[in-house]
Amino acid sequence: QSVLTQPPSASGTPGQRVTISCSGSSSNIGSNTVNWYQQLPGTAPKLLIYSNNQRPSGVPDRFSGSKSGTSASLAISGLQSEDEADYYCAAWDDSLNGGVFGGGTKLTVL
Amino acid sequence: EVQLVQSGAEVKKPGESLKISCKGSGYSFTSYWIGWVRQMPGKGLEWMGIIYPGDSDTRYSPSFQGQVTISADKSISTAYLQWSSLKASDTAMYYCARHAPIGDYWGQGTLVTVSS
Repeated sequence: QSVLTQPPSASGTPGQRVTISCSGSSSNIGSNTVNWYQQLPGTAPKLLIYSNNQRPSGVPDRFSGSKSGTSASLAISGLQSEDEADYYCAAWDDSLNGGVFGGGTKLTVL
Repeated sequence: EVQLVQSGAEVKKPGESLKISCKGSGYSFTSYWIGWVRQMPGKGLEWMGIIYPGDSDTRYSPSFQGQVTISADKSISTAYLQWSSLKASDTAMYYCARHAPIGDYWGQGTLVTVSS
């Protein structure tokens, strides 16, 4: 049981916009920033979004993040086949004094 | 260029000890927290703990406290994750990740297989 809650799966067709949610509590998302990671099959995770809505250099602007209260969302617009991957959210948890991840969302491009 | 390079895959028997490594380069190793993340087969990411190589301050997830030891040798810019007595349930991929923020850079992963 992950501390942060994500839907196990999401899907969309090429060109569509999809969103993935991440729900937490006051001790994690409610009081700290959220990061998002993309994990392509057989590879290490890659930072996609940090500080709720910032993109590292090289990440396409098709990817965007937002946060409100104790929830966060990742949006992917103009969906492409290469976006098919697992997506994870993470945040620092003040009660646990450590990092916490969501359970991950498997994105399928139909 | 920031790089984290992990040691190679390991196959161990239950009860054996193990220490895997993660060597950082391209940045000031002593100035950033670095941590470990577990991914069991077919499962999600689990945050295990972090260490600040500058002063060896270490934090553990309650789920991993007492089960593993995180350490670092700043003289060779290397962080470690070790077990004193492996269990079959320790079979997983283990990633090191710099925390600036959490997981801004990741190692390639070390696959640990524990089987009799």
